[in-house]
Formats: sequence, structure tokens, C-alpha cells
Amino acid sequence: EVQLLQSGGGLVQPGGSLRLSCVASGLPFSDYAMGWVRQAPGKGLEWISGLSGSGVDKHYTDSVKGRFAVSRDKSTNMLFLEMNSLRAEDTAVYFCAKSPYWNDPSDFDLWGQGVLVTVSS
Amino acid sequence: EIVLTQSPATLSLSPGDTATLSCRASQSVSTYLAWYQQRPGQAPRLLISNTSNRATGVPARFSGTGSGTDFTLTISGLQPEDFAVYYCQQRYAWPPITFGPGTRLEI
Repeated sequence: EVQLLQSGGGLVQPGGSLRLSCVASGLPFSDYAMGWVRQAPGKGLEWISGLSGSGVDKHYTDSVKGRFAVSRDKSTNMLFLEMNSLRAEDTAVYFCAKSPYWNDPSDFDLWGQGVLVTVSS
Repeated sequence: EIVLTQSPATLSLSPGDTATLSCRASQSVSTYLAWYQQRPGQAPRLLISNTSNRATGVPARFSGTGSGTDFTLTISGLQPEDFAVYYCQQRYAWPPITFGPGTRLEI
């Protein structure tokens, strides 16, 4: 079955760090760009990061630039989001998602189940 | 950053009706516009990419039109499972990829 399975969410204090993981199964992982999209409670979707199929080109929205880092391990079909200096406004459900394109991390045609990240003291 | 606005914010219709959802971009996105459906408690689902291309498995009652700054998602013959939130998303000028605020389609 083609799927993305996420792990790593939880409760973290302001200023803390968290690492989200996303493992892909049933698809040629390295052929596609991947992205991270988050959704604050009761709010809409926000694209926060993207990574090309090669893993070389990385992109971020301004609000997470310098704090979050995206990476992928092709040997294990895994995508990661390292989140540092977390703030209350980072509280959201985080989705990993697959793009049908090599370079554009968009038009996501496969999504993970989402994990909740809560930043609170 | 390209800003997407969606209207109406909420659309109240009945099964069997036709829904017309609008997405407007702050500048031209050519035809690089996608639509997603999100049901409560679920991840979004891609419906349409590049304005009018239905994703795999999406029923033919979903159709997309438009270009430049104005786009429409039409759902013909609404089914009970179609009542959800719909988002548009552009990939013409990025980063960032941007989403609209969503239209809630309710019974």
C-alpha cells in the first residue's frame, strides 16, 4: 500500500525542539519532491517547507526560516522536519506530503496522517 | 507572496445541488492552481491540479476552470460525502506555496 506514516509529535515547552519523521512506503521516494504543511487548531492550511527529489533544494516559509530544517534519507525512505526554538504559534497538526513533481513541493497527491505539535509551558 | 482569497467562506446547499466555489489570486498564477478537499479529522485530499486536471480516483462531478487570477471549482450533484472544507493552492510563484483560507461546504 502506498502511504506516508508520520511520528514524532507531542508537547514541548517554548524554546524547545522536536523532530518529526515521515516514512514512505510503496512508492519510489527519491523521485518526488516532498513538503510539510501545518494546520493550527481550527485554522486553514499553511505550507511551511519543501524539499526537492534530490534533497538538495530546500525551501521554507519566512516564519520558520532559521528555526526549522527539512531533510530526507533516501536509504530509509524517510523525511524529517527538525524544529528548534519552538513558539506557541507553532502549535498545529503537521502533515508530510508528497508532490507529483521532482522540484515543486506542491500539488500534494499523498499525505501523512498528521501529528499534533503543542508548544506550551 | 501571492495571496489567495476564497468565496464564499461558507456555502450551504443540499444533496443533489451544484456547488460553485471561487478562488481569486492577488496576481496571475497562470494555470498553476490546485484544489483540495478536507473532511473533519482527516488529511487534505488533492482533487484537481493545474486548474482542471482531476487527481486519480476523483469523481467526474468535480471540475475546475479558470486562469490568471480567477478560478472556480464546481461540484455537480452533491453527494453527502462532499460536505467538507475546500482549499485552493498556487505553485506559480514560490516559495512560499500558498493556500486560500478555505470554503466550508455545509448541508
